[in-house]
Amino acid sequence: GENVEQHPSTLSVQEGDSAVIKCTYSDSASNYFPWYKQELGKRPQLIIDIRSNVGEKKDQRIAVTLNKTAKHFSLHITETQPEDSAVYFCAASPGGGNKLTFGTGTQLKVEL
Amino acid sequence: KAGVTQTPRYLIKTRGQQVTLSCSPISGHRSVSWYQQTPGQGLQFLFEYFSETQRNKGNFPGRFSGRQFSNSRSEMNVSTLELGDSALYLCASMGAEDTEAFFGQGTRLTVV
Repeated sequence: GENVEQHPSTLSVQEGDSAVIKCTYSDSASNYFPWYKQELGKRPQLIIDIRSNVGEKKDQRIAVTLNKTAKHFSLHITETQPEDSAVYFCAASPGGGNKLTFGTGTQLKVEL
Repeated sequence: KAGVTQTPRYLIKTRGQQVTLSCSPISGHRSVSWYQQTPGQGLQFLFEYFSETQRNKGNFPGRFSGRQFSNSRSEMNVSTLELGDSALYLCASMGAEDTEAFFGQGTRLTVV
C-alpha cells in the first residue's frame, strides 16, 4: 500500500519568514495530494491540494509543488504569521475513493 | 450548509466492552471515511463507505467494523476494546471523487 513520509516533524520560524514542508510517497498510482492544517483540539481542514497533472498550485501565501518523477511534493508558506502555527499533514490518494494516506505531521511554530 | 457531525464527542469505556460511533456527512455526500488519530501513529485510514458499501479498507483488525445507511449516515463499531484503541476517531465526507474531504470534530475515545 501507499506510504507517505513527511519532514520535518517540527519547524520553528520567525514571523515573516517562509516555511517549507516536504513529503514523499511510494505508490505511483497516487494522483491526488491534499494538505491539511490541524489546530490544537480542532478538526483537520484542507488548505490546498494538487492533482498529478499539475506541477504547482498557489493560493495567496500558500503554494504546493509536485514532482511525479521523484514522487515528492512540498508545501510552501510565505510571510508566516502567528496564526499559521498548527500541525500540517500531507496526504496522498490513489483515486477511486475517499482514502487518504497521511504523513506523520509537521508541528509548525511561528515565533514573534 | 451543516458540516460533518460526529456523536458522541467524548466517550469512556472499559476494556472488553464495545462501542459505536456515529457520523452524519454533509448533505449530498455519499462517501464517508473513518480515521484513527493517535500521537504515536498519526492519522490512519480505517475504512470508507460509499452508497452503503465498503469501498476501501485499511489495515485494522476485524474488531473494527462499520456500516452506512441509506441516508449516508455511517456508524463505526469497535468490539472487545483494548487500551490501545484510545484515540480520536475522525470521519470525513466527500462529494465527488478526489475532492476535499471534510472532517468532523471527532469522537475522543478513552479505554480504561
